[in-house]
Amino acid sequence: NAGVTQTPKFQVLKTGQSMTLQCAQDMNHNSMYWYRQDPGMGLRLIYYSASEGTTDKGEVPNGYNVSRLNKREFSLRLESAAPSQTSVYFCASSGSGQGALQPQHFGDGTRLSIL
Amino acid sequence: AQRVTQPEKLLSVFKGAPVELKCNYSYSGSPELFWYVQYSRQRLQLLLRHISRESIKGFTADLNKGETSFHLKKPFAQEEDSAMYYCAPTTYSTLTFGKGTMLLVSP
Repeated sequence: NAGVTQTPKFQVLKTGQSMTLQCAQDMNHNSMYWYRQDPGMGLRLIYYSASEGTTDKGEVPNGYNVSRLNKREFSLRLESAAPSQTSVYFCASSGSGQGALQPQHFGDGTRLSIL
Repeated sequence: AQRVTQPEKLLSVFKGAPVELKCNYSYSGSPELFWYVQYSRQRLQLLLRHISRESIKGFTADLNKGETSFHLKKPFAQEEDSAMYYCAPTTYSTLTFGKGTMLLVSP
């Protein structure tokens, strides 16, 4: 049972470089989410996708773009990385029906450092 | 605006002591309440949700709608309970996490 799989696990970028973080889930969930986790800030929602073909901004979307490629995959792109985007990024998914009222299942995270 | 507050960044107790991790929220409507836990080197996972009325690993959480609180409690803490705990009120549109409380249980 893979659940939610994120790649890569670690990445170091230079300021201005671009990168796509990949996320896939094998639980047939409709909803998928991207969060960032920073010390003292908890988890903050970047973008979410309530269903295939839809995406919506969360609390901190600036500097990011997302693509819901299909029901399984939800990618997060940094077009021009900035040091302020150094963080741990978590992808999550939740079941269908009542959408966000279902518990979320998380990936292991991607630790991203931007120099 | 939706808001959730976990007032303690760190809670340190001895094994066998009671534990209460506080969570207060300010939300429009009636959110569903969740507690998530992140053990060292593990992924974030659901601990319990209010609607289930369950006791997971000895933890319970009481929803007080008047005070808009959802505190997590355990009568006798164990060393393996050491982890980061997040309170997460949820509506149909999204989920907001508190900033988390680190629980350290010492022998």
